[in-house]
Amino acid sequence: QKEVEQNSGPLSVPEGAIASLNCTYSDRVSQSFFWYRQYSGKSPELIMSIYSNGDKEDGRFTAQLNKASQYVSLLIRDSQPSDSATYLCAASNRDDKIIFGKGTRLHILP
Amino acid sequence: GAGVSQSPSNKVTEKGKDVELRCDPISGHTALYWYRQSLGQGLEFLIYFQGNSAPDKSGLPSDRFSAERTGGSVSTLTIQRTQQEDSAVYLCASSSVAGLGTDTQYFGPGTRLTVL
Repeated sequence: QKEVEQNSGPLSVPEGAIASLNCTYSDRVSQSFFWYRQYSGKSPELIMSIYSNGDKEDGRFTAQLNKASQYVSLLIRDSQPSDSATYLCAASNRDDKIIFGKGTRLHILP
Repeated sequence: GAGVSQSPSNKVTEKGKDVELRCDPISGHTALYWYRQSLGQGLEFLIYFQGNSAPDKSGLPSDRFSAERTGGSVSTLTIQRTQQEDSAVYLCASSSVAGLGTDTQYFGPGTRLTVL
């Protein structure tokens, strides 16, 4: 199993709906978890970080971490066309090295 | 500056030439990463520096690639005898490793390398 796995998509969501992005991880990464957004031609930028089980909300974004099931998800409420991007899930291992998934392409349909 | 900087922003070179890419991390960040990203692809990990520890070079694709980090700050990625398949955007990122909540990676703007 790869350390961090994501469905590559594309995931198409109507404008105004909730976009749900999922990521699973292996036992080799277990400390900190991150969601990054990358627009085409730009560098990744951090959206959310989460360290403990449960939900963490920031505006329209909610990160959910379930350590028992080894998954982390990102929900985007009231999706906007400007949310169209690639979303990268990342996690850190015991050596504090951050491992990225391949990313999920999200397309918000106007 | 407050963020990670990289230079040059664009580099065009001829096949077989050597290139050096530079990264200036955020001041005080002990961890520094190099990634490569080809068009439409995910991040490909190249190398990871953490403090005074030996770097994790497990992602370097061949012995033509090398990197160093001087004084725990600036890093240089060197590609010798460049090949066309080396064409990509090379991204640098840095982070602090001082416990949970401080390990967020911040990315530079990247260097777009084109090998003719």
